[in-house]
Amino acid sequence: DTEVTQTPKHLVMGMTNKKSLKCEQHMGHRAMYWYKQKAKKPPELMFVYSYEKLSINESVPSRFSPECPNSSLLNLHLHALQPEDSALYLCASSPTETLQNEQFFGPGTRLTVL
Amino acid sequence: GENVEQHPSTLSVQEGDSAVIKCTYSDSASNYFPWYKQELGKGPQLIIDIRSNVGEKKDQRIAVTLNKTAKHFSLHITETQPEDSAVYFCAASIATGGFKTIFGAGTRLFVKA
Repeated sequence: DTEVTQTPKHLVMGMTNKKSLKCEQHMGHRAMYWYKQKAKKPPELMFVYSYEKLSINESVPSRFSPECPNSSLLNLHLHALQPEDSALYLCASSPTETLQNEQFFGPGTRLTVL
Repeated sequence: GENVEQHPSTLSVQEGDSAVIKCTYSDSASNYFPWYKQELGKGPQLIIDIRSNVGEKKDQRIAVTLNKTAKHFSLHITETQPEDSAVYFCAASIATGGFKTIFGAGTRLFVKA
C-alpha cells in the first residue's frame, strides 16, 4: 500500500466550530507532514512529525493543533479558525525525516471557513 | 531562509514539443531537489528528483539538470503529451533541525493536442 489517505475530502465549518482532519499511511513511514495550500500557490509547510514527535512547527497559529497518536496516523485539530484559513490541507509522509526522501502526498482536505 | 524561484509561471506547448522549467535556490546548503506534478483535485506526486552530488538525471521523457555553482536546476520534458498538462513544482530540501522542503511558485503547463 503506497497511499496516503485523508478524511474528510471537503469540510465546511464556522468560526466557532471545532473539527479535525485525519491522515493515515501504512507504508511504515516515520515522518509525517502537514502542508497548507492556497489556490494557485505552492504547498507551505506547517508541521513535521518524526517518530511521532513534533520536530518542526513553522510558527503556525495555535488554532491549529497537530497530533500524532501513532506511527500511521496524523491529525490536525481545528478551533476558532478564520475565513483566511480556507485552503487545501495536504498530509504527506516519507520514510524518515533525516534523509532526503520523496514525500508521498495525500489528496488533501479542502477546508472552507465561513 | 531558503527561497526557491521558478519560471515560467505558465507554459503552453504543442503536443510533441519539449517543455523546460527553470528554478533557482538561495541556500547553498540545500542538497535535495525534487520535482512534483500536481493534477487538479490531487496532491503533488514526485516525478523526478536529484541530489547535489549528481549533475543530471533522466527517466524516460523527463530529465533534470543541476548546476550547484549557479544554484540552478531545470526540468526538461520531451515529446510532451496532453496528459502532461498539470502544475509542476520544483523544490529544495534543507536541513534545519530536520529536513524542510521549500517549494517554488509552480508552473502551469498546457499541452495542446
